Amino acid sequence: NAGVTQTPKFQVLKTGQSMTLQCAQDMNHNSMYWYRQDPGMGLRLIYYSASEGTTDKGEVPNGYNVSRLNKREFSLRLESAAPSQTSVYFCASRRAGQATYNEQFFGPGTRLTVL
Amino acid sequence: SQKIEQNSEALNIQEGKTATLTCNYTNYSPAYLQWYRQDPGRGPVFLLLIRENEKEKRKERLKVTFDTTLKQSLFHITASQPADSATYLCARNSGGYQKVTFGTGTKLQVIP
Repeated sequence: NAGVTQTPKFQVLKTGQSMTLQCAQDMNHNSMYWYRQDPGMGLRLIYYSASEGTTDKGEVPNGYNVSRLNKREFSLRLESAAPSQTSVYFCASRRAGQATYNEQFFGPGTRLTVL
Repeated sequence: SQKIEQNSEALNIQEGKTATLTCNYTNYSPAYLQWYRQDPGRGPVFLLLIRENEKEKRKERLKVTFDTTLKQSLFHITASQPADSATYLCARNSGGYQKVTFGTGTKLQVIP
């Protein structure tokens, strides 16, 4: 099993450009998440999808959109990138349901720089 | 808001000693707390989960405690090794079981 995969690993954008970050998991997990991680700020939730067909805003959703394409894939789109969106983006998945299964599995991250 | 704080940004400890990391939360008690390890350039990796009705949880050299009176969780690594050097993140559930809120992490360095 590959676990959680993210593409691309690195990306440089100019202000105003758009891009989509891709995430896929092969663990048959129900829930998927997008976080950003900035120095001194920790991991902050952007959007999440509790199950296929649903998405909800997290703590910092402005400037982002998401699509839960199917159970495996959850993409994050920046429509018009801004320098404030320079960050490391992590996708995570979780086998929802019982409290026992609340651990999240993270991908390797995408390092995004917006000039 | 449901905040979670890791007071120490960095902790240096001698090899072989016990490292103790602190996580404090505000407002109501979370149903559970989680601890993750993050190495540079990588995503966090889950280590332990402790529920509010559990006082202590162990896994090999790791031990986590949950004190609802102090609103605090302690994370211990006994017989620490240089390979334990990493950033450790604490997280609490928020909004039921679907989401967690992460602390900013404590960077642990184990000195040989």
